[in-house]
Amino acid sequence: NAGVTQTPKFRILKIGQSMTLQCTQDMNHNYMYWYRQDPGMGLKLIYYSVGAGITDKGEVPNGYNVSRSTTEDFPLRLELAAPSQTSVYFCASSGDSYSNQPQHFGDGTRLSIL
Amino acid sequence: RKEVEQDPGPFNVPEGATVAFNCTYSNSASQSFFWYRQDCRKEPKLLMSVYSSGNEDGRFTAQLNRASQYISLLIRDSKLSDSATYLCVVNSGNTPLVFGKGTRLSVIA
Repeated sequence: NAGVTQTPKFRILKIGQSMTLQCTQDMNHNYMYWYRQDPGMGLKLIYYSVGAGITDKGEVPNGYNVSRSTTEDFPLRLELAAPSQTSVYFCASSGDSYSNQPQHFGDGTRLSIL
Repeated sequence: RKEVEQDPGPFNVPEGATVAFNCTYSNSASQSFFWYRQDCRKEPKLLMSVYSSGNEDGRFTAQLNRASQYISLLIRDSKLSDSATYLCVVNSGNTPLVFGKGTRLSVIA
């Protein structure tokens, strides 16, 4: 009963390094999302995908890239890590629609950039 | 006006109290509404969907007021374990769901 799985759980990066946050879901959901959440703040949508091969920008896409080669996987890439990208990153998925189906979240990746 | 607005709180209530949160939304065409719960340093989890006729799940009651464009969450007989942040979630046209910033609840012994 895995649902949405994110790896790694924690990571510390140096400024300028790159990394990929992994997200996979086993619910056969078409829709997937990446959010960031800064301390004491709400969720901000980074990117989303409505199916394999299709991605779209959310509210705060700058500094990030995504790809969706399979239904299951939706990795988020940071190319040049900056201190402003220190945050908790959540991946989520939903079934048949992104506008009227609830989203299911992974348990997050805590990223610090020093 | 922001798409989804919530009173950030915190609401500090004693155990056993009844507490209510409101959430206003700006898009009159919104059709889907949810309440999520987020514990400290954890992921948001779906608490309940909100239906037009209102719905109840144990101690939790959700209501929708389309005329005034708000949804509400009522928690009866508050437990210490209800302490969390409650997120209001609304669809806004043909785009991903919009999450409110949340209302913090602390239930005190």
